[in-house]
Amino acid sequence: GDSVTQMEGPVTLSEEAFLTINCTYTATGYPSLFWYVQYPGEGLQLLLKATKADDKGSNKGFEATYRKETTSFHLEKGSVQVSDSAVYFCALSPVKGGFKTIFGAGTRLFVKA
Amino acid sequence: EAGVAQSPRYKIIEKRQSVAFWCNPISGHATLYWYQQILGQGPKLLIQFQNNGVVDDSQLPKDRFSAERLKGVDSTLKIQPAKLEDSAVYLCASSPTGADYGYTFGSGTRLTVV
Repeated sequence: GDSVTQMEGPVTLSEEAFLTINCTYTATGYPSLFWYVQYPGEGLQLLLKATKADDKGSNKGFEATYRKETTSFHLEKGSVQVSDSAVYFCALSPVKGGFKTIFGAGTRLFVKA
Repeated sequence: EAGVAQSPRYKIIEKRQSVAFWCNPISGHATLYWYQQILGQGPKLLIQFQNNGVVDDSQLPKDRFSAERLKGVDSTLKIQPAKLEDSAVYLCASSPTGADYGYTFGSGTRLTVV
């Protein structure tokens, strides 16, 4: 069935470092892809999305490119801040599935000052 | 616009007791979802409503979990009787017409079963 695999965390970086969180997926056709972020004690927030191959989603300095050939949607940010410390979830919405979203296990990011 | 409202924020119950969670989605959002998030894992879909009809409840443990969405607006998720393994955060989310828009999540209800 459809699934999402993320790199295991935690990821610990110093402020202003470059961030990459890897995400690969298994799905039929061209699913929509998402990154959500969860800050401590809060629900998930949509960070960015891409709905077709080669699309680039971006928001708040984060970006991810929909790569059909490698079935990947890696999250990147050029310079992280302490306030970016959170759990990041990669997710997909299957082409056929009633618009339900399947989430990865999440990757926790710690950013040190 | 107002976000997705959930209550209560926290609940502690003993096993075999019953509990109910409430969700008020964003006004106008036709689709409502309940997810279960166990500590250290990604959210898992329990049930999906489109207006007041159930679209997907294939992963809902129907022997103990039930959910309803009266009049296509508010929704209630109930567990009766609760088990220790039900300890988790229960997240409600809504979206306008489909997941391609992405979801708006509530803050969740953290349930602890002792």
